[in-house]
Amino acid sequence: AQTVTQSQPEMSVQEAETVTLSCTYDTSESDYYLFWYKQPPSRQMILVIRQEAYKQQNATENRFSVNFQKAAKSFSLKISDSQLGDAAMYFCAFPSNFGNEKLTFGTGTRLTIIP
Amino acid sequence: GAGVSQSPRYKVAKRGQDVALRCDPISGHVSLFWYQQALGQGPEFLTYFQNEAQLDKSGLPSDRFFAERPEGSVSTLKIQRTQQEDSAVYLCASSLAYGPQLVAFFGQGTRLTVV
Repeated sequence: AQTVTQSQPEMSVQEAETVTLSCTYDTSESDYYLFWYKQPPSRQMILVIRQEAYKQQNATENRFSVNFQKAAKSFSLKISDSQLGDAAMYFCAFPSNFGNEKLTFGTGTRLTIIP
Repeated sequence: GAGVSQSPRYKVAKRGQDVALRCDPISGHVSLFWYQQALGQGPEFLTYFQNEAQLDKSGLPSDRFFAERPEGSVSTLKIQRTQQEDSAVYLCASSLAYGPQLVAFFGQGTRLTVV
């Protein structure tokens, strides 16, 4: 069974600074995908970034980037130049492979941005 | 529609009452998922449809939970004889086809409170 662990229930960062959210996972698959989703108070999950395990290059989307360490099964999210709108719950998620792509989510990290 | 739409956004039910939660996925999306999110937790998988076929219902917590998607578009999650432990946010997500690389688009959820 796949598991996803987020060990930081809460994090805070000063506006314009950089913060890193941690995620570890466990799987027996060799080829897979990993996602970070953001959930603001509106409750709607929004995709932040996606990483393909077979790609050695870390994914980047504007101010968001990942540090993907396949051997260590670690998938951390770095947010640069933090903005007030980044305040939300962040979930690391792992889909099952082909056939039923249900997502296994971590318990989330609540990110607070300090003005 | 432009996004995944869920209704109602809030539902208060008396214990023992039946409820029906609706999900309108993005038009043309083949895959549809239901998740249950308890307060302060990550979403947990309930069930998965590919078109009108319910391929996985392993996450439904009891036989009081029932989901359908009869025409392969709109889906309804029904909970019979609601209990207090059913109080949660119910999230619906859809994706264009199937495959672990695909991004799931989420609705804003229905917050169910059983009193």
